[in-house]
Amino acid sequence: QKEVEQDPGPLSVPEGAIVSLNCTYSNSAFQYFMWYRQYSRKGPELLMYTYSSGNKEDGRFTAQVDKSSKYISLFIRDSQPSDSATYLCAMEGTSYDKVIFGPGTSLSVIP
Amino acid sequence: DTEVTQTPKHLVMGMTNKKSLKCEQHMGHRAMYWYKQKAKKPPELMFVYSYEKLSINESVPSRFSPECPNSSLLNLHLHALQPEDSALYLCASSQDVDRGYYEQYFGPGTRLTVT
Repeated sequence: QKEVEQDPGPLSVPEGAIVSLNCTYSNSAFQYFMWYRQYSRKGPELLMYTYSSGNKEDGRFTAQVDKSSKYISLFIRDSQPSDSATYLCAMEGTSYDKVIFGPGTSLSVIP
Repeated sequence: DTEVTQTPKHLVMGMTNKKSLKCEQHMGHRAMYWYKQKAKKPPELMFVYSYEKLSINESVPSRFSPECPNSSLLNLHLHALQPEDSALYLCASSQDVDRGYYEQYFGPGTRLTVT
């Protein structure tokens, strides 16, 4: 079983839709959970991170962590064409200085 | 300023060439990272520098040689690469490896093609 799994998509939604992006993981020791956005041919950009379980909101983005289910989500409200990108979930690895990335979900928001 | 810069943006090199990739950050971060990313794959960690000392080397072939001249700069020296080394090479930084390692800032990457 891979440490971090993510539906690769592609996911295509109309502008204004609510988008739900999800990851599952296998290691219950993970504490920090991150979401990165990566535009084509660019480096990943950190959107937000959360510690342990719960929700965190930043503008149109909400990150949710359910440690009991080993499941994390990123919700995007009022999606815009500029949100079209690959979204990578990431978690701290078992070594303190390693981050493990999910494979990424490709999102297209259609005007 | 949360900017990490990388040069060059693109690089084409032959298998016998020697070249270097450069990375710079001015956020006062003490941890810097090199990642390799193939198309439609997540970034794979290659090296971690903590306080200018090599902390992690993920069994990367010796044809890749990292260097950290000071806390703001990170280089990746390339020699005798193979075509399968063609990828996007990403530099990242974080506050350090004990605090804020989960909050990494990435540069735009160098797209490397080995012919």
